[in-house]
Amino acid sequence: AQSVTQLGSHVSVSEGALVLLRCNYSSSVPPYLFWYVQYPNQGLQLLLKYTSAATLVKGINGFEAEFKKSETSFHLTKPSAHMSDAAEYFCAVSDRGANNLFFGTGTRLTVIP
Amino acid sequence: ETGVTQSPTHLIKTRGQQVTLRCSSQSGHNTVSWYQQALGQGPQFIFQYYREEENGRGNFPPRFSGLQFPNYSSELNVNALELDDSALYLCASTRPGNTIYFGEGSWLTVV
Repeated sequence: AQSVTQLGSHVSVSEGALVLLRCNYSSSVPPYLFWYVQYPNQGLQLLLKYTSAATLVKGINGFEAEFKKSETSFHLTKPSAHMSDAAEYFCAVSDRGANNLFFGTGTRLTVIP
Repeated sequence: ETGVTQSPTHLIKTRGQQVTLRCSSQSGHNTVSWYQQALGQGPQFIFQYYREEENGRGNFPPRFSGLQFPNYSSELNVNALELDDSALYLCASTRPGNTIYFGEGSWLTVV
């Protein structure tokens, strides 16, 4: 069985500051891991995914995440927050080869000018 | 642009009614999944279809059913609507082993 825990339902950062959104996963098999972003009243957009290649994954909009098996973590980071980054962020896990995702409860990112 | 189109975008139904939500995927995307996202929550997996057969189901009752068609379109049907069915319903499609693409969703309000 797979599950994801996102620590912190709300995160606020100043514009230009580091963004760190935390995600820990549980999986009985080697996982695929994903980060999605959701802007208000919109669907989900894929930011990045880990599928067993490099453990440091670079995504769109300057985001990256590092897969740490020893810590069962897949935290999302961005060196410098922009106002347009304000959104809801979801971490998700799936079985390799499966196409259904198990999502966390999300982290709402607020960027303060 | 994900190539996944959902309709309608918003609808309001009365408790006890039935609803059909539709999804159109990219050519070749023979796997489609449906998710329910309640307000303030993450999406929850409802079921998945592969080549027009149900291929996995989450913890949802049988009144949630689906269909997948040869033209890469699909439907989610919900019977006997309950107030708790109010949510954003997301369709996601993919080819095996490839990225999962989500549509913009259909907002369902049950009153």
